[in-house]
Amino acid sequence: DIQMTQSPSSLSASVGDRVTITCRASQSIRSFLNWYQQKPGKAPKLLIYGASSLQSGVPSRFSGGGSGTEFTLTISSLQPEDFATYYCQESYITPRGTFGGGTKVEIK
Amino acid sequence: QMQLQESGPGLVKPSETLSLTCGVSGGSINTSSYYWGWIRQPPGKGLEWIGTFYHTGDTYYNPSLKSRVTISVDTSKNQFSLTLTSVTAADTAIFYCARQDLRRGYFDYWGQGTLVTVSS
Repeated sequence: DIQMTQSPSSLSASVGDRVTITCRASQSIRSFLNWYQQKPGKAPKLLIYGASSLQSGVPSRFSGGGSGTEFTLTISSLQPEDFATYYCQESYITPRGTFGGGTKVEIK
Repeated sequence: QMQLQESGPGLVKPSETLSLTCGVSGGSINTSSYYWGWIRQPPGKGLEWIGTFYHTGDTYYNPSLKSRVTISVDTSKNQFSLTLTSVTAADTAIFYCARQDLRRGYFDYWGQGTLVTVSS
């Protein structure tokens, strides 16, 4: 089974900060990596698919990078509505998929 | 606009069977373009993929749950269902249904989720 490890598990940041979250896979998953944002009481929302493709309607301050085993999600300038928990998900052997443990982005 | 809606009992007794249904509107589940899946999230914890089905009848399950999970479909009602047997308190979670892209495997449309508590 493919294991997904996110870091950090939580972070504190201020509005306007640049934030980067890392997701590591236990084996190469090429670019089959997706990112989601989840706010309290809500379903996850797809942000990035295929490691770096921005889902329609998602602000351009979100970007994804990486391939193989190491991936990043970057928020270029953190906005108040971005405080949430972020999850990565591998989909190398679709439709099977494993999620990372999540990264909670909190207000400093 | 694609919409998914979970429904089912919010409370299930230990050792019994959990059954949920996902109603889909705005598109047909009988499509070759997408999978349809279930994901769960224990309160305050992360996401876990449970299983997925394809319109051909093929089903795929998380190995850790495979012995207890069944996903079925009712195309006449445009809905699919989840059955989880022999539940314990560890199965208490918010259950989501979602549409899954065939090629890239991402979940792009989600239901709002339904909390199922396992307790006597």
